Amino acid sequence: GIQVEQSPPDLILQEGANSTLRCNFSDSVNNLQWFHQNPWGQLINLFYIPSGTKQNGRLSATTVATERYSLLYISSSQTTDSGVYFCAGDMDSNYQLIWGAGTKLIIKP
Amino acid sequence: NAGVTQTPKFQVLKTGQSMTLQCAQDMNHEYMSWYRQDPGMGLRLIHYSVGAGITDQGEVPNGYNVSRSTTEDFPLRLLSAAPSQTSVYFCASSYGPQGSSGNTIYFGEGSWLTVV
Repeated sequence: GIQVEQSPPDLILQEGANSTLRCNFSDSVNNLQWFHQNPWGQLINLFYIPSGTKQNGRLSATTVATERYSLLYISSSQTTDSGVYFCAGDMDSNYQLIWGAGTKLIIKP
Repeated sequence: NAGVTQTPKFQVLKTGQSMTLQCAQDMNHEYMSWYRQDPGMGLRLIHYSVGAGITDQGEVPNGYNVSRSTTEDFPLRLLSAAPSQTSVYFCASSYGPQGSSGNTIYFGEGSWLTVV
């Protein structure tokens, strides 16, 4: 089946550092999205980024669909950025998202 | 402004018992879905609905039933609970298809279910 691989699995940084999270897909993906799950379990939809680059404040995302990967950049990290970041995509244009296992990010004060 | 509301938040079941997880949204969204999240994994789609009266299976539907009698409500029923169904369950809703452009997905706070 389709594989969604996220790296690194865990990342520990000091407040103020920058980070890059990666999402690789084993096959062509449609409708790629990034999500954040905070330490209390709440999920929010960060980006819809099937291709190109988008920015929202300190976060930006880039997807290179032809090479089957997406990157999430976090600049000037804050403790509130801690949590798990997931990427997910729809492989067959059926709008059923396939999720990666996530990158767990811990920002230390 | 409630958004997506799930109940209960925590539940312990015995093997073989049945129960219903409730999900309601007040945003008039057509698309609703149920996911499960196991430790160290991303979400997996159980069932979804594209509107009242219309439901379909996702990636891991076995052992679960759903119905969608109204736009607002999308309950998930566990027919005969098994330890393998111990998981965190999330309900989600969106205006349009949940993989598509411009349709932000809103999640409930999760329901922690343990089957012993």
